[in-house]
Amino acid sequence: NAGVTQTPKFRILKIGQSMTLQCTQDMNHNYMYWYRQDPGMGLKLIYYSVGAGITDKGEVPNGYNVSRSTTEDFPLRLELAAPSQTSVYFCASSRGLPPGEQYFGPGTRLTVT
Amino acid sequence: QKEVEQDPGPLSVPEGAIVSLNCTYSNSAFQYFMWYRQYSRKGPELLMYTYSSGNKEDGRFTAQVDKSSKYISLFIRDSQPSDSATYLCAMVTGNQFYFGTGTSLTVIP
Repeated sequence: NAGVTQTPKFRILKIGQSMTLQCTQDMNHNYMYWYRQDPGMGLKLIYYSVGAGITDKGEVPNGYNVSRSTTEDFPLRLELAAPSQTSVYFCASSRGLPPGEQYFGPGTRLTVT
Repeated sequence: QKEVEQDPGPLSVPEGAIVSLNCTYSNSAFQYFMWYRQYSRKGPELLMYTYSSGNKEDGRFTAQVDKSSKYISLFIRDSQPSDSATYLCAMVTGNQFYFGTGTSLTVIP
């Protein structure tokens, strides 16, 4: 199993551009999550999904959108990128409750200039 | 007030020392408590999780939860240089995770 994979690994965007961060898991997990990690700020939940077709907002959803059309994929869309979205983005998945068994991808480092 | 508070460190200890990492929280609705380890430029990996007050051991690691004080700890015995990483506490209510800011640990050979 590859686990959770994310693409791209790095990206530089100009202000106002859009992009999609890809996330795929091959563990048949129902739950998937998107986090951002800023220096000294820990991980903040952006969006999560409890199954295909079901998504919900986390702590910091503004400026982002998600979709979940399959169990495996959970892309994160950034519209009109802003410097405040410069961060490292992690995708994670888990089977469900109890939620401790969360597996993280390697992350995408995004810089918006 | 943040949901989860964690001292960012950095913490530097000699090899073989006992390490104590701590988090406090304010939300009594948290049901699950976890510790993650994150190496530089990698994603976090789950070390331990528990849902009740008390201690849980796994090898050199012990997780402790005190719900009455809203306080959790991770103890690392016989620390090794390979334990050098950032340790994140996390707590769950419903489907949402709340992470601490992480404590950076360096174990010096």
